[in-house]
Amino acid sequence: EAGVAQSPRYKIIEKRQSVAFWCNPISGHATLYWYQQILGQGPKLLIQFQNNGVVDDSQLPKDRFSAERLKGVDSTLKIQPAKLEDSAVYLCASSPVYWTGAKAEAFFGQGTRLTVV
Amino acid sequence: AQKITQTQPGMFVQEKEAVTLDCTYDTSDQSYGLFWYKQPSSGEMIFLIYQGSYDEQNATEGRYSLNFQKARKSANLVISASQLGDSAMYFCAMRERSFNKFYFGSGTKLNVKP
Repeated sequence: EAGVAQSPRYKIIEKRQSVAFWCNPISGHATLYWYQQILGQGPKLLIQFQNNGVVDDSQLPKDRFSAERLKGVDSTLKIQPAKLEDSAVYLCASSPVYWTGAKAEAFFGQGTRLTVV
Repeated sequence: AQKITQTQPGMFVQEKEAVTLDCTYDTSDQSYGLFWYKQPSSGEMIFLIYQGSYDEQNATEGRYSLNFQKARKSANLVISASQLGDSAMYFCAMRERSFNKFYFGSGTKLNVKP
């Protein structure tokens, strides 16, 4: 079974530029998460999709961040314009079911390491 | 309020010894799952172990076990016979039935000494 795919792996941009990240979840996984992980901290949920609908985006800085999941499959996360404090690893994860009480852990991609200079 | 609290920013353990990483959680849901992930320096998140809120037995996966104390809302990870390759960040996470979100703690950095 193929894992969660993310690209690019690394990105360096100047502040005020824009950047986009792409995620392809595991086939059949209805739930997709985008996390921001600043060095030395735990992942912070930015946005959660259930199929192609947004379940939670309460911590997404909507003035500069946007995300979409067209057709309920792959997803893109965009930052425009970027700030220095956006330097972080952006993790995409997916899980197979909404809730059955079963294990259903989140499967993570390798992440995109963003450096804003 | 923090959903997941990990109070140990860093831990040291001698190779071959056991170590316990602490995790407490906060939820009003009756149905939830607790997870531990390992994140080596390479950055990937590796699932280790799961405990469901209705599971009566503590979960075990090889050298990993989860000490689940529901009344105290704690879900500590025990690693037996530590190995050098266990050096990594460890994250406790929770998934609530109501919103299906994964909440993560701030992590514990484990260093295994030879």
